[in-house]
Amino acid sequence: TQLLEQSPQFLSIQEGENLTVYCNSSSVFSSLQWYRQEPGEGPVLLVTVVTGGEVKKLKRLTFQFGDARKDSSLHITAAQPGDTGLYLCAVPPGGSARQLTFGSGTQLTVLP
Amino acid sequence: NAGVTQTPKFQVLKTGQSMTLQCAQDMNHEYMSWYRQDPGMGLRLIHYSVGAGITDQGEVPNGYNVSRSTTEDFPLRLLSAAPSQTSVYFCASTAGAGYTFGSGTRLTVV
Repeated sequence: TQLLEQSPQFLSIQEGENLTVYCNSSSVFSSLQWYRQEPGEGPVLLVTVVTGGEVKKLKRLTFQFGDARKDSSLHITAAQPGDTGLYLCAVPPGGSARQLTFGSGTQLTVLP
Repeated sequence: NAGVTQTPKFQVLKTGQSMTLQCAQDMNHEYMSWYRQDPGMGLRLIHYSVGAGITDQGEVPNGYNVSRSTTEDFPLRLLSAAPSQTSVYFCASTAGAGYTFGSGTRLTVV
């Protein structure tokens, strides 16, 4: 059983559409991170959320941490082809932010 | 540019061969780790280090060894490669606020 469940696994949309991807767990976490990975590269940190209910915005990306700190969502407004990539959520299961467990990711493709 | 450097970028090994994947960071991060990434399974932690001279096992350590003689370097050794070790390997470091990843080593064991 995976600690983190990400959905959907694959998502293909047209440029300009909005989308939401999810990261869910039955466990409570002290924080949660989102990364984006492009082909042939390592993941790049997008954001860290710490407080239950917290909302952070990064340009057209909106991240929310669930009130109970068990889940998170990433919403992209007016998606662009440059948003294409693998979106990964990660948590520190032992409380230490230095040791992360990753979800299996959502592969997003934005078609021009 | 500051960051995490991994070498080589690609490698093909025969079953039973040994090799070392190199990882170096210039950000003076104490914490470094190795992950492998396989389709549909995300990133899985192999080994990690909280500082020079200190290493520990992650989720999938079997078949891999590590050492940390300096803050900058954290090599990963495969002593006897197996086809099950075909994967993409990532090294990462952090000071606590989020990981910086290298660009990965794609390893194929035939």
